[in-house]
Amino acid sequence: DVVMTQSPLSLSVTPGEPASISCRSSQSLLYRNGKNYLDWYVQKPGQSPQLLIYLGSNRASGVPDRFSGSGSDTDFTLKISRVEADDVGVYYCMQALETPRTFGQGTNVEIK
Amino acid sequence: QVQLQESGPGLVKPSQTLSLTCSVSGGAIHNDGQYLTWIRQRPGQGLEWIGHVYYDGYTDRHPSLKSRLTISIDRSQNQFSLRLSSVTAADTAVYYCAREKTTSSGLRGMDVWGQGTTVTVSS
Repeated sequence: DVVMTQSPLSLSVTPGEPASISCRSSQSLLYRNGKNYLDWYVQKPGQSPQLLIYLGSNRASGVPDRFSGSGSDTDFTLKISRVEADDVGVYYCMQALETPRTFGQGTNVEIK
Repeated sequence: QVQLQESGPGLVKPSQTLSLTCSVSGGAIHNDGQYLTWIRQRPGQGLEWIGHVYYDGYTDRHPSLKSRLTISIDRSQNQFSLRLSSVTAADTAVYYCAREKTTSSGLRGMDVWGQGTTVTVSS
C-alpha cells in the first residue's frame, strides 16, 4: 500500500495568516498522463469530509481560491493563503493512484 | 445534484454481518464515470478506504477486508451496498459512502459524500 505522511499533525493559525500542510507519499503519484493522483479533503467538526483539491492542484467546485494545492511526484503541499475561522477542521491528503486508496494521518487546524 | 444517504442498523453483534446501503438520488447509479465508495472512520481515528464498485459491477476491496467484504450495486433501486461478515469491535466506526468521479482526463476526487452512519459492534 502507498503510505501517506502528513506534517504537521497539528497547526494553530491566526486568522488572516497563511497556513501550509505537507504530504509525502511512499511512491510517486505521477501517472503516465502527466497528472498527480493526489487529493485534499477537509473534515470540519461534526461533518463528513469534503473535497478541496483533486489531481494535486485543481480546486473542487465551490472551494475558495484561498486554497491551493501544489507539488508533484511524492511531495505535495496544501496552502491556505489567509486562514478564516471557518477553516477549522482536520485536513487529509489521499492518494488516488491505486487501490487501496490511502489517506494521510490528518492535520488538525485550529484557529488562535 | 447527486446526493448520497447511508442506512443500516446502528448496532451489530460480534461475529454477525454488518449490512449498509447507500441510496443515490439526483443521478443514475448506472452512469459510468463514478466509483461508488465506502470509507470508514473508527472512533478518534482517520479515514480508511474500504472499497468501491464501478457502475458495471466491478469491485475493488481493501486487502485487509477482502475475505469478509462484499460490495454490490443495485441499479433498479439506485443504491449500492456493503456487507461485512464476522464483525468484531474493531469494525466499530462511522461508515461513509462517497462518489469518486472519473473522466477521460483523470479522477476528480470524492466530490459527494453521505452524512455517515455510526455502527457499533457490541453484544
